[in-house]
Amino acid sequence: DQQVKQNSPSLSVQEGRISILNCDYTNSMFDYFLWYKKYPAEGPTFLISISSIKDKNEDGRFTVFLNKSAKHLSLHIVPSQPGDSAVYFCAASANYGGSQGNLIFGKGTKLSVKP
Amino acid sequence: SAVISQKPSRDICQRGTSLTIQCQVDSQVTMMFWYRQQPGQSLTLIATANQGSEATYESGFVIDKFPISRPNLTFSTLTVSNMSPEDSSIYLCSVEAWDVANYGYTFGSGTRLTVV
Repeated sequence: DQQVKQNSPSLSVQEGRISILNCDYTNSMFDYFLWYKKYPAEGPTFLISISSIKDKNEDGRFTVFLNKSAKHLSLHIVPSQPGDSAVYFCAASANYGGSQGNLIFGKGTKLSVKP
Repeated sequence: SAVISQKPSRDICQRGTSLTIQCQVDSQVTMMFWYRQQPGQSLTLIATANQGSEATYESGFVIDKFPISRPNLTFSTLTVSNMSPEDSSIYLCSVEAWDVANYGYTFGSGTRLTVV
């Protein structure tokens, strides 16, 4: 049973518009959430994170929203740029800062930003 | 944050053989993590490698199949033993990373393994 779900395998957005990537989770013990971006032939790159004590974290064009009651988080990219085209992974941990590497990943959403 | 050099970047191997993947970190880290990403699947943690002790394996992964070495605080290897086509995956190593406001993980560039 998947504990972290990214139900949209792909998303296509026009340059300059907003990209919204969604992620749902089932384990209520998760208390830390991360987004990674992955280009082909490269390892995932850490993008942004949020702990369960917050509902929003913003870093430049990237904002992550967390809705704990719905067990849902989303990544907003505004404005979207062609260089944002990549696969985005949502990940969750039940041990914030616990150094146990127990990240649970979703399957990823491939974002395509068209010029 | 830490920089990881992982090699080889890709390999094509015969079934029944073994491949050792290396990860070198540019700073000392307590734990290193090994992940696998099978085609169309999410990243799955194989094991956690601590320096000076045996690796801790996740459910479904065993030391005989995926022996790990951690000789010092900057280096680790993962061996995929007695390979079969089902082992064809991307293998990644990872370490924890802190920056100004976020806690996350830094990944190596990955090893794309194809077993024929």
